[in-house]
Amino acid sequence: SAVISQKPSRDICQRGTSLTIQCQVDSQVTMMFWYRQQPGQSLTLIATANQGSEATYESGFVIDKFPISRPNLTFSTLTVSNMSPEDSSIYLCSVGSGGYEQYFGPGTRLTVT
Amino acid sequence: GQQLNQSPQSMFIQEGEDVSMNCTSSSIFNTWLWYKQDPGEGPVLLIALYKAGELTSNGRLTAQFGITRKDSFLNISASIPSDVGIYFCAGHHAGGTSYGKLTFGQGTILTVHP
Repeated sequence: SAVISQKPSRDICQRGTSLTIQCQVDSQVTMMFWYRQQPGQSLTLIATANQGSEATYESGFVIDKFPISRPNLTFSTLTVSNMSPEDSSIYLCSVGSGGYEQYFGPGTRLTVT
Repeated sequence: GQQLNQSPQSMFIQEGEDVSMNCTSSSIFNTWLWYKQDPGEGPVLLIALYKAGELTSNGRLTAQFGITRKDSFLNISASIPSDVGIYFCAGHHAGGTSYGKLTFGQGTILTVHP
């Protein structure tokens, strides 16, 4: 399976600021996804990052709050904009190729104060 | 949207015991996946199931894709302390419009006492 890295691994941010999270894969992949995992909760899909076009957002998530870029088949970014304490979560990217299996990065642990 | 009901929510067992957890859905899934998440890490894929009735093993882990395509279970035999973690089921909804989108269960927290 692909090796996936995320930066930063964790951050503490002030309310009202924005943070951009990077996801890098060591091989080209078809699908890239961004998830949020709130404390003690399961994973919720934020959006599918589409290469060369706008991301596809799930219900409850909007581009203005979570802008996503995917400039090529190995890299994507997720920005958490105008943060509030409710945005404190683990943000995970995952990749898939061909089938429905997804492989996850190590996650970015965000705390908003 | 589709929801997965995963049970139990948590389990406290003795080392050496067998463990069983399951996921059910009100709708049909064409893929079932089982993941384990250790503290501070991302989920790691344990087993993938693609056919109704399929029974697949990975070491001490065994998972089955239910005949009705609405459920799956995961068994862990002879548990060891490193089995501690959160186990998630995930499924891909048959006939869904979002290609590749997975739905996750709520997770089962496993604690193994030495």
